[in-house]
Amino acid sequence: DVKVTQSSRYLVKRTGEKVFLECVQDMDHENMFWYRQDPGLGLRLIYFSYDVKMKEKGDIPEGYSVSREKKERFSLILESASTNQTSMYLCASSGGGAKNIQYFGAGTRLSVL
Amino acid sequence: AQKITQTQPGMFVQEKEAVTLDCTYDTSDPSYGLFWYKQPSSGEMIFLIYQGSYDQQNATEGRYSLNFQKARKSANLVISASQLGDSAMYFCAMRGISGNTGKLIFGQGTTLQVKP
Repeated sequence: DVKVTQSSRYLVKRTGEKVFLECVQDMDHENMFWYRQDPGLGLRLIYFSYDVKMKEKGDIPEGYSVSREKKERFSLILESASTNQTSMYLCASSGGGAKNIQYFGAGTRLSVL
Repeated sequence: AQKITQTQPGMFVQEKEAVTLDCTYDTSDPSYGLFWYKQPSSGEMIFLIYQGSYDQQNATEGRYSLNFQKARKSANLVISASQLGDSAMYFCAMRGISGNTGKLIFGQGTTLQVKP
């Protein structure tokens, strides 16, 4: 069975803190993605990675960075958390092929106070 | 630019009836894929169904079918025989020609409530 695991379901942080959101997939997928979800806006892509140590900016990368040191793990980093980064964060992975379906984790609800 | 539009913020359906969730898209790519995902209140996004732009037939997966009208650029999801467990938010998404990375663009979502 497909499995994408996000380290935390809920997280509360203070403004200015450095925040790490971790994502692990067990499907040997090349591609991994970080999205944020806000009401009325759907999902917006922050960053994605198509290989170890490779990354590309998505549509809203400002204020975020990522790390992919191992194939199965993709980390999202908020260098200095701000209140406008309060959101739901979703990680996904895909293995290519004709359909190239993305499989998602359960999400992390981050509140920045 | 690519865009997905879901014009129904919320929908109600009676249990055991069929319901159609609307999705229109805009792209200049000749080849693309269309997806529907379900997001229950628990938060996880669950893949439901896929339609390729060159597929001749509409996709079906159990009680889910995709009404694909290429000329009208629409990809509506049809859920037959609705169940209480179908209550969730549903997202339409599209993947254009973006290499093998599978980058998706999502619509705003439609909340479906199934009434007993």
